[in-house]
Amino acid sequence: RKEVEQDPGPFNVPEGATVAFNCTYSNSASQSFFWYRQDCRKEPKLLMSVYSSGNEDGRFTAQLNRASQYISLLIRDSKLSDSATYLCVVEEYGNKLVFGAGTILRVKS
Amino acid sequence: SAVISQKPSRDICQRGTSLTIQCQVDSQVTMMFWYRQQPGQSLTLIATANQGSEATYESGFVIDKFPISRPNLTFSTLTVSNMSPEDSSIYLCSAGEGNQPQHFGDGTRLSIL
Repeated sequence: RKEVEQDPGPFNVPEGATVAFNCTYSNSASQSFFWYRQDCRKEPKLLMSVYSSGNEDGRFTAQLNRASQYISLLIRDSKLSDSATYLCVVEEYGNKLVFGAGTILRVKS
Repeated sequence: SAVISQKPSRDICQRGTSLTIQCQVDSQVTMMFWYRQQPGQSLTLIATANQGSEATYESGFVIDKFPISRPNLTFSTLTVSNMSPEDSSIYLCSAGEGNQPQHFGDGTRLSIL
């Protein structure tokens, strides 16, 4: 079983749509959780940290459920510029990051 | 967040040779890491670069193949030794401080012929 599992997609959505990504992780001792965004042939860039209380940044909402070991990302009012690979990332002891395989999002006009 | 620069940004190398990748951070950071991203794959941690001591390698990665230096709190190098086509990847360094999220350099795209 992979440590961090994501649906690889691709998710093909029209502009303005709402799309949700899910992620599960296997290590219950994981300490911190993030969503990173990676554009084609670029480095990953931090999108947002994920907290149990949930957090929102503009059109993006992230949620963590520690009991279920489940992380989600919701994108509202999708833009063409949201097209990218979204990486679910779990931080373990020693600040080591474990990456999911990524979910591909394609937003089309 | 820290600005992280990597050199070279890309290279094409002959098999059997070695290449050293540099990672420079614009501020002192406690933690630096090296990752590999093989074609079509996600990132895999190679090692934690420890300042003033030997790097800590993840399972499947060894010092002879990927020697790492970290002479100070702003700089690290990763060498890919005795390269083969299987080493063709993007190599990324990251830096972090305390509980803050890590940020990544823009990567080194390595192709081995």
